[in-house]
Amino acid sequence: DIQMTQSPSSLSASVGDRVTITCRASQGITHSLAWYQHKPGSAPNLLVFAASRLESGVPSRFSGSGSGTDFTLTISSLQPEDFATYFCQQYNTFPRTFGQGTRVEMK
Amino acid sequence: QVQVVQSGAEVKKPGASVKVSCTTSGYRFINYGLGWVRQAPGQGLEWMGWISPYNGDTDYALKFQGRVTMTTDTSTSTVYMEVRSLRSDDTALYYCARYNSNWYLDYWGQGTLVTVSS
Repeated sequence: DIQMTQSPSSLSASVGDRVTITCRASQGITHSLAWYQHKPGSAPNLLVFAASRLESGVPSRFSGSGSGTDFTLTISSLQPEDFATYFCQQYNTFPRTFGQGTRVEMK
Repeated sequence: QVQVVQSGAEVKKPGASVKVSCTTSGYRFINYGLGWVRQAPGQGLEWMGWISPYNGDTDYALKFQGRVTMTTDTSTSTVYMEVRSLRSDDTALYYCARYNSNWYLDYWGQGTLVTVSS
């Protein structure tokens, strides 16, 4: 199985901060990576697919980059509604595997 | 718009079975696969498998083979997942999500909490 290592596991930030989350695959997955936002009690929300393509309706402050084994999700200016958990998922091979998640908390 | 709605929370005893449903709307049901993912307390997300509503084909993660069955009902645009021989470590939030044509999960259900306790 492909292991997805996500870091950090949590971070504290303030509104307006630039936030970067990374995800590393144990083997190459080309661009087959998605990022999700997850708030307690709600369904996960797709943010980015194909490593860098923004899902329709997602604010442009979110961006994704990377290919192969190393990927990044960036929030350019953190907004109050962005405090949540973020996780990556590879869809290059089965079984699909996920990063452990990054909890973004208010500083 | 696409909606994925799951059945409500369940409490089961060890050794019992649970069947969780996932009803979809807003798109042509047979055109997209549906996957199941779970998250145990304090743990990350774990992919369990997926089913094709078009032909009923399934693919289960190795650790769930023989204990999990996914089925579909095209008349109600619903998929089901049954987990048998429940153990305490099956206590988790179970999610259903749609696979789009590029094979990533795009729409997720709200999750179903399954608690296994004696």
